[in-house]
Amino acid sequence: DADVTQTPRNRITKTGKRIMLECSQTKGHDRMYWYRQDPGLGLQLIYYSFDVKDINKGEISDGYSVSRQAQAKFSLSLESAIPNQTALYFCATSDSRRADTQYFGPGTRLTVL
Amino acid sequence: QKEVEQNSGPLSVPEGAIASLNCTYSDRGSQSFFWYRQYSGKSPELIMFIYSNGDKEDGRFTAQLNKASQYVSLLIRDSQPSDSATYLCAVNEGGGSNYKLTFGKGTLLTVNP
Repeated sequence: DADVTQTPRNRITKTGKRIMLECSQTKGHDRMYWYRQDPGLGLQLIYYSFDVKDINKGEISDGYSVSRQAQAKFSLSLESAIPNQTALYFCATSDSRRADTQYFGPGTRLTVL
Repeated sequence: QKEVEQNSGPLSVPEGAIASLNCTYSDRGSQSFFWYRQYSGKSPELIMFIYSNGDKEDGRFTAQLNKASQYVSLLIRDSQPSDSATYLCAVNEGGGSNYKLTFGKGTLLTVNP
């Protein structure tokens, strides 16, 4: 089984809908991250969490919210989806004892019509 | 705003040649530098990290860091078609143990058989 899983893998939704992307990990890592990637662009950090009670905004947090339900689970929500949120979303994890390596999930391809 | 710059490519090399990928960064306080490989439609995977000035070798890969010039590179020796991918440079902007990465937009490498 994969160490970092994301659900759903693909999602098509309509403008104005609320949508949640979920990330789970079995690596036992304390740190989790959400990124988005647009064609031809690098990875942009949306939110990050260094432990269950520590959540921080990244460079592009507007229009997004997150919830760290447990050490192993970190969810990303779009309260009212808009077309320019169409992108590939990645969850990543790292271990604060070995924070030099971030491990990425397989990604969620989100399309907002 | 902290920036990480990479040539977008595509960089095309023949099989067996050396591929050279370059990256510059704006934050002089950056301490850790990473190279990720991303195949089309897949998630990024870490291939190298480097902290100190000079060269670091791992198999066919060599990372080079020059902090004075704010420059980091990745050399791939004996390039193989399976090396064809987008290579992302990432820089730790958090400092200390707060690893928060800023990614470049990536360089597309094509290795021709």
